[in-house]
Amino acid sequence: AQSVAQPEDQVNVAEGNPLTVKCTYSVSGNPYLFWYVQYPNRGLQFLLKYITGDNLVKGSYGFEAEFNKSQTSFHLKKPSALVSDSALYFCAVRSNTGKLIFGQGTTLQVKP
Amino acid sequence: GAVVSQHPSWVICKSGTSVKIECRSLDFQATTMFWYRQFPKQSLMLMATSNEGSKATYEQGVEKDKFLINHASLTLSTLTVTSAHPEDSSFYICSAEPGQGNEKLFFGSGTQLSVL
Repeated sequence: AQSVAQPEDQVNVAEGNPLTVKCTYSVSGNPYLFWYVQYPNRGLQFLLKYITGDNLVKGSYGFEAEFNKSQTSFHLKKPSALVSDSALYFCAVRSNTGKLIFGQGTTLQVKP
Repeated sequence: GAVVSQHPSWVICKSGTSVKIECRSLDFQATTMFWYRQFPKQSLMLMATSNEGSKATYEQGVEKDKFLINHASLTLSTLTVTSAHPEDSSFYICSAEPGQGNEKLFFGSGTQLSVL
């Protein structure tokens, strides 16, 4: 069965420091991986995706993610965090039937 | 980028009444839309896949008669929560895919339903 895991409920980081939000996946075949961000009482906004090609994917708002096949991971990163990056982040994998399977979500808290 | 409009953004209703939520793709056609439910600080749970012109496909454990889905056109899907009860209170989110194989879903802004 396909699944996504985000091992951290919350990540705290100081503004200006690099941030990492972890994601691991389990899927048969080639994975289609996504990161979405959700602000309070809002829908999800697309950040980036990995389908094929370079393992380092660059996305919106300065975020990037690294696809690591051997570790089955797709961690979200940003070199310098902003307070406005504070939100709920979801990793997702697309199933064979087209459905998005979401991780549990990780709350990112960036403190000034 | 593609825009998905969801309406209303919030609704409060009395127990026993029905509530309809609309999901529209504003600048693209969507043969498939998805309906999710989200509890506070939890992940999105897929409820059903809405297919234009055919019956929706419901996930296991989701009551078809409780959550009626209609996808009558390529730009509109509706979710009706029938005879709502307090336990139906939740955040409902729709998403749509602009064409086959685009590999990216666009999400509505969500609807917060509170049943008194």
